[in-house]
Amino acid sequence: AQSVTQLDSHVSVSEGTPVLLRCNYSSSYSPSLFWYVQHPNKGLQLLLKYTSAATLVKGINGFEAEFKKSETSFHLTKPSAHMSDAAEYFCVVSGPAGGTSYGKLTFGQGTILTVHP
Amino acid sequence: GAGVSQSPSNKVTEKGKDVELRCDPISGHTALYWYRQSLGQGLEFLIYFQGNSAPDKSGLPSDRFSAERTGGSVSTLTIQRTQQEDSAVYLCASSLAGGEYEQYFGPGTRLTVT
Repeated sequence: AQSVTQLDSHVSVSEGTPVLLRCNYSSSYSPSLFWYVQHPNKGLQLLLKYTSAATLVKGINGFEAEFKKSETSFHLTKPSAHMSDAAEYFCVVSGPAGGTSYGKLTFGQGTILTVHP
Repeated sequence: GAGVSQSPSNKVTEKGKDVELRCDPISGHTALYWYRQSLGQGLEFLIYFQGNSAPDKSGLPSDRFSAERTGGSVSTLTIQRTQQEDSAVYLCASSLAGGEYEQYFGPGTRLTVT
């Protein structure tokens, strides 16, 4: 079975400062990992995904994440926060290719990002 | 193009009643997923349809929950004899195929059981 743990339920930053949202995963195989964002009263949107290619993954809106197998981490970063980044972010893992859970997403508990002017 | 649509957007029902939630996936997407988002449990997988294969129902919380997908397109999630703990936002997603293809999510149906 796979799981993800988001280490912070809330993160608060000032506009223009870096963003770090932390995620650790647990998996007995090489996982596919994703970050999704949910703006208030909006649907979930994919930010980026890791599927065993490059370990540094670039996503939309300037976000990126680095897959570190030795640390079982997949932290999300952005060099400079913008007010429009305020939302809830979910770290997500998918089951392995060929397995019964392939494509089924397991979500972390979410991190609410607040951006102060 | 059109995204995933869900109806109704909000549903209030009395405990014990049955409800049906509808999902219209993106045209051409063969995979369709249902998830539930609730305060206590976060986001949980419910059921997965892929093409003409038998659905993966492993996430359904009880036998009061069922889903079908007609003609490989529209899906309906049915909850029988609703309970207060069924109150949640029910999200539908579709993808071009199963596996690691990006899942596109609908806006959800907010279900409130009184």
